[in-house]
Amino acid sequence: DVKVTQSSRYLVKRTGEKVFLECVQDMDHENMFWYRQDPGLGLRLIYFSYDVKMKEKGDIPEGYSVSREKKERFSLILESASTNQTSMYLCASRVQDGYGYTFGSGTRLTVV
Amino acid sequence: GDSVTQMEGPVTLSEEAFLTINCTYTATGYPSLFWYVQYPGEGLQLLLKATKADDKGSNKGFEATYRKETTSFHLEKGSVQVSDSAVYFCALKGGYQKVTFGIGTKLQVIP
Repeated sequence: DVKVTQSSRYLVKRTGEKVFLECVQDMDHENMFWYRQDPGLGLRLIYFSYDVKMKEKGDIPEGYSVSREKKERFSLILESASTNQTSMYLCASRVQDGYGYTFGSGTRLTVV
Repeated sequence: GDSVTQMEGPVTLSEEAFLTINCTYTATGYPSLFWYVQYPGEGLQLLLKATKADDKGSNKGFEATYRKETTSFHLEKGSVQVSDSAVYFCALKGGYQKVTFGIGTKLQVIP
């Protein structure tokens, strides 16, 4: 069964910490995405990558960066965590443009 | 820009009732349309999709028809079960790499 795996289900971090969220897919997909999910706002795109070492900003990139050194792994980095980054973070991948996403189970991040 | 509108809910139905969750969209060109489902504690799963006008997507008893004239992609199921309780997201894929999601509609099915 194909999978997108997010390294943590729950994380609690302190304000100002540097936070790494890891995502790995085993489907040889070209495209990978990071979304955050908040009540009443749905899913908002933070960053995406359509190939190794390539990245593009989504709708809300401020305060985040990403890294994609290998095809299967896409990391989201919170440079200096703030309380307004408390959210559910969802990683997704797809084989290429036009296809549906496969999502991970999500990481619920709380910044205190 | 592109947008998707759906009610947040919750929508509460009795088991075996008929389900409709409305979805309307605004987009330039000819987007592809999707429904995703999120069960409690999980990520989203692709439920069905349609890529052009008048296409009908279907899966697990759910259906949705791409209506260009009304810019809609309403999700329907003839008889819901308790196991269908979840959050349902309508989404569209417009320009290159860009997918826009609605806010999600929570469905609660009671026995």
